[in-house]
Amino acid sequence: EDKVVQSPLSLVVHEGDTVTLNCSYEVTNFRSLLWYKQEKKAPTFLFMLTSSGIEKKSGRLSSILDKKELFSILNITATQTGDSAVYLCAVEAAGSNYKLTFGKGTLLTVNP
Amino acid sequence: NAGVTQTPKFQVLKTGQSMTLQCAQDMNHEYMSWYRQDPGMGLRLIHYSVGAGITDQGEVPNGYNVSRSTTEDFPLRLLSAAPSQTSVYFCASSYGRASDTQYFGPGTRLTVL
Repeated sequence: EDKVVQSPLSLVVHEGDTVTLNCSYEVTNFRSLLWYKQEKKAPTFLFMLTSSGIEKKSGRLSSILDKKELFSILNITATQTGDSAVYLCAVEAAGSNYKLTFGKGTLLTVNP
Repeated sequence: NAGVTQTPKFQVLKTGQSMTLQCAQDMNHEYMSWYRQDPGMGLRLIHYSVGAGITDQGEVPNGYNVSRSTTEDFPLRLLSAAPSQTSVYFCASSYGRASDTQYFGPGTRLTVL
């Protein structure tokens, strides 16, 4: 059974801090790992990482994938109150093109 | 484009009642899916569809039925509601597969008494 574990489950920081969110996984025939941000409503897509794309960056957010150690991290620098959200990690297995296994998420709270 | 729409936004049911959660997308996406989200549990896949007429079970399919008669619509039916089905339900769609950028609907908050 595929497994995705995120840590920490929750995190409180002050504006301007840098945070690192972790996602470890156990999946047969890994294909891709995805990060989503969920504010009060539906998740929105952030990054997808695969064997051919193990590092992604968008503004203050960046993510890397370590396929050997089976984990990914999501970094957010110079955090803002608008970064407060649940961050979800999901993995896709090759041969299971249509199923994502999600972790439980990390609740990030950024205080002014 | 309206994107992915879901109705209703909120619903309260009594145990044993049945109902259908509606989901529609206007992006001509082949892949559609239903997730439920419970506190501290992330998203769990209920059913998914890779095109009109094709559906399959996800991680937690028991107590739910789906059909996909058109590309646009993917309704989720609760056959006999149970308190354990109290949850927030999200419908999502993407171009071809789950790892393509998925667009999520706004969610339906369901309470079963």
